[in-house]
Amino acid sequence: DGGITQSPKYLFRKEGQNVTLSCEQNLNHDAMYWYRQDPGQGLRLIYYSQIVNDFQKGDIAEGYSVSREKKESFPLTVTSAQKNPTAFYLCASSMGIQETQYFGPGTRLLVL
Amino acid sequence: AQTVTQSQPEMSVQEAETVTLSCTYDTSESDYYLFWYKQPPSRQMILVIRQEAYKQQNATENRFSVNFQKAAKSFSLKISDSQLGDAAMYFCAYRSAFGNEKLTFGTGTRLTIIP
Repeated sequence: DGGITQSPKYLFRKEGQNVTLSCEQNLNHDAMYWYRQDPGQGLRLIYYSQIVNDFQKGDIAEGYSVSREKKESFPLTVTSAQKNPTAFYLCASSMGIQETQYFGPGTRLLVL
Repeated sequence: AQTVTQSQPEMSVQEAETVTLSCTYDTSESDYYLFWYKQPPSRQMILVIRQEAYKQQNATENRFSVNFQKAAKSFSLKISDSQLGDAAMYFCAYRSAFGNEKLTFGTGTRLTIIP
């Protein structure tokens, strides 16, 4: 089955710790995205990547980092600089930057 | 900057009835795309329907249809023959057609289906 997978489903972060959220797709999509969702709000774009080895900041990139070493994978690291990381994180992909975005199941990040 | 407004935080409908969810947006662009996404309790975002602004015909996907009023910048979603599985948060989203990768989302409408 083609799709987007995210792991883990739940993630706990201690103060001062960096954590990495995984996003993998087997849809052969070129573009991938990371969004953050807070309660009562819509999604906000953190980072996006149009092709391998290239990525751009979205609206709320501070405290986050990404890499795109493989077409199928776009991991997101939440660094200790992100002071309010508790949120639901959604990864998406699309055939191209102009195409419809499809979403993974999400990762819930909680701070201990 | 583009904005998307969903003025109905919550809606409810009787099973098998029809419900309409509202969405308005603000943009100075002439060409763009509009979407409705559904987020059930599992929290995965699922594409419901997509509309291209240059197409006058309203998009339809089975029981889901939109009323796209470009001049009024309105993009409502109509769900016919509502089913229990339609219960979810519904988000309206906007994306420019001019090389802009970002989806701009509204704050969502929680739809409850009454059996």
